[in-house]
Amino acid sequence: EAGVTQFPSHSVIEKGQTVTLRCDPISGHDNLYWYRRVMGKEIKFLLHFVKESKQDESGMPNNRFLAERTGGTYSTLKVQPAELEDSGVYFCASSQGGYVGTQYFGPGTRLTVL
Amino acid sequence: DAKTTQPNSMESNEEEPVHLPCNHSTISGTDYIHWYRQLPSQGPEYVIHGLTSNVNNRMASLAIAEDRKSSTLILHRATLRDAAVYYCILRDVMNYGGSQGNLIFGKGTKLSVKP
Repeated sequence: EAGVTQFPSHSVIEKGQTVTLRCDPISGHDNLYWYRRVMGKEIKFLLHFVKESKQDESGMPNNRFLAERTGGTYSTLKVQPAELEDSGVYFCASSQGGYVGTQYFGPGTRLTVL
Repeated sequence: DAKTTQPNSMESNEEEPVHLPCNHSTISGTDYIHWYRQLPSQGPEYVIHGLTSNVNNRMASLAIAEDRKSSTLILHRATLRDAAVYYCILRDVMNYGGSQGNLIFGKGTKLSVKP
């Protein structure tokens, strides 16, 4: 069974540019989460999809971040325009139905904003 | 979700047991205790979880204090591959509010394993 995959693994962009991160969850997992770790900080929750619906987006830092999950399969996280403080590692995780389901994480996308 | 307290770092020798402690004095009756770990340059991975009773799986054991205010993750024989940051996380099964489902990561314990 394929795990959670994320693309790209690394992205280097200039301040003001747009970047789109993609996450493919484990097939059949209704729950999809985005997290990020910015330099020197702890891993923080960004948002949670159940199928195609946003269940909780309380962790999204501001309106420069837009997440979508069309058709309830893969998800994209767009940052537009990117700022220096957006640099960090963005993780995606998925889980089956149920609140305390084990979350399976992808390897992350390292975003560097210059 | 309730907070947890873990030592910043621990060291172990290869093939020796490791006991990673976690304090959660404000745990509620509906909080599950979860452990995740993050190997270098990888995403976090699930290790084990429990509610009241001790738990064992192929990766580790989880010992939960009788009053549930602390727990210990036990790696029976540490290998070099176990060097990682270990996170103790509480998840409230009754919390269907805004933070439903997400994990709250603290700083964790960085485990070093010496050959």
